[in-house]
Amino acid sequence: GAGVSQSPRYKVAKRGQDVALRCDPISGHVSLFWYQQALGQGPEFLTYFQNEAQLDKSGLPSDRFFAERPEGSVSTLKIQRTQQEDSAVYLCASKDSSGIYEQYFGPGTRLTVT
Amino acid sequence: GNSVTQMEGPVTLSEEAFLTINCTYTATGYPSLFWYVQYPGEGLQLLLKATKADDKGSNKGFEATYRKETTSFHLEKGSVQVSDSAVYFCALSDRNTNAGKSTFGDGTTLTVKP
Repeated sequence: GAGVSQSPRYKVAKRGQDVALRCDPISGHVSLFWYQQALGQGPEFLTYFQNEAQLDKSGLPSDRFFAERPEGSVSTLKIQRTQQEDSAVYLCASKDSSGIYEQYFGPGTRLTVT
Repeated sequence: GNSVTQMEGPVTLSEEAFLTINCTYTATGYPSLFWYVQYPGEGLQLLLKATKADDKGSNKGFEATYRKETTSFHLEKGSVQVSDSAVYFCALSDRNTNAGKSTFGDGTTLTVKP
């Protein structure tokens, strides 16, 4: 079946621009996670949704970062007034209610802020 | 808080050599442990997992044993192939946190030469 998809795969933004990154989780998966992966590092947790409810946003680095999942399916991560330190790969993962914390990852969106 | 420490890379081996990638963790609760693999140009894929002490996860010839006494989850393979060249991430999910958000190590790059 279809896995987690993300779009765009690559995004170049000028400093100060707003960007929106999309995640389509596996159909029926209740949980959705966003992670940020800087070059040469492991993914770091940003935020978590259970259906449409954002239950944990403790990893969002600033109030410029905002995520939503209004219908409990597709999610969008928005970054306002991008800065160079926002350059990273943004990963989305989804999980169903039965897996023992097994998350399925999308290919990521590579964001470069110039 | 939770943390994962992986053996630093890069690791370069000849085909059919024995592989060990060390991973140790710190967790406030009783975590599940994972190894993920990221092939060039692809997303993170779950390689294997273990959910309780002394469990052994295995897949594609790779193995890792959950050692609670040493807080370790070292990845091993008896005979590596060129196709195993990838970045390997050790991760944990703490059952006490929201739906098992994951904490990752920084990754170890493996290159296998023919």
